[in-house]
Amino acid sequence: RKEVEQDPGPFNVPEGATVAFNCTYSNSASQSFFWYRQDCRKEPKLLMSVYSSGNEDGRFTAQLNRASQYISLLIRDSKLSDSATYLCVVRETDNYGQNFVFGPGTRLSVLP
Amino acid sequence: DAGITQSPRHKVTETGTPVTLRCHQTENHRYMYWYRQDPGHGLRLIHYSYGVKDTDKGEVSDGYSVSRSKTEDFLLTLESATSSQTSVYFCAISVMEDTEAFFGQGTRLTVV
Repeated sequence: RKEVEQDPGPFNVPEGATVAFNCTYSNSASQSFFWYRQDCRKEPKLLMSVYSSGNEDGRFTAQLNRASQYISLLIRDSKLSDSATYLCVVRETDNYGQNFVFGPGTRLSVLP
Repeated sequence: DAGITQSPRHKVTETGTPVTLRCHQTENHRYMYWYRQDPGHGLRLIHYSYGVKDTDKGEVSDGYSVSRSKTEDFLLTLESATSSQTSVYFCAISVMEDTEAFFGQGTRLTVV
């Protein structure tokens, strides 16, 4: 089974801190990459897609290194509302066809 | 938010009874998925569909069947519910096979 691994967490950071999440994937043929956030007892919601050139959306920056099979998410100036579980997601073709493979998630708590 | 509705949102059922969960979308997306989420396992693919009447198995398909008779509806059936199927079930949709997925709000199923 192809795997997606993430920092185990949890991360407890003060407001205003910068926090980085790391993710590695094992299937070199993986095609698309995403970060989702999931609040407690809620559905996963797309935070951002991750492109080879790297991309930024406000306080969030995502990077992809295909050679190392590594994805990162940087959150600057953390807000209380950033508290959630962050899921690294890889789209790949496996025994079940096209599939989204989810990492276990890294929980972030931003403290006042 | 993507137009995805799951029903019911919560259900308690007895072991051995059949259960059907419904996912309805208003986005006309081709791809639909059923995932289950359990502590320690993250999200795992049960079944997916790539068009009307076109479905395939995922990683944890045993004990589950699906049907898609219309673009907008994807049904998940537990033929004879077992306690191991107590979980949170998420439906997801995507436009293309390599684009992001959008999730429904989830169904909390308890099998007693």
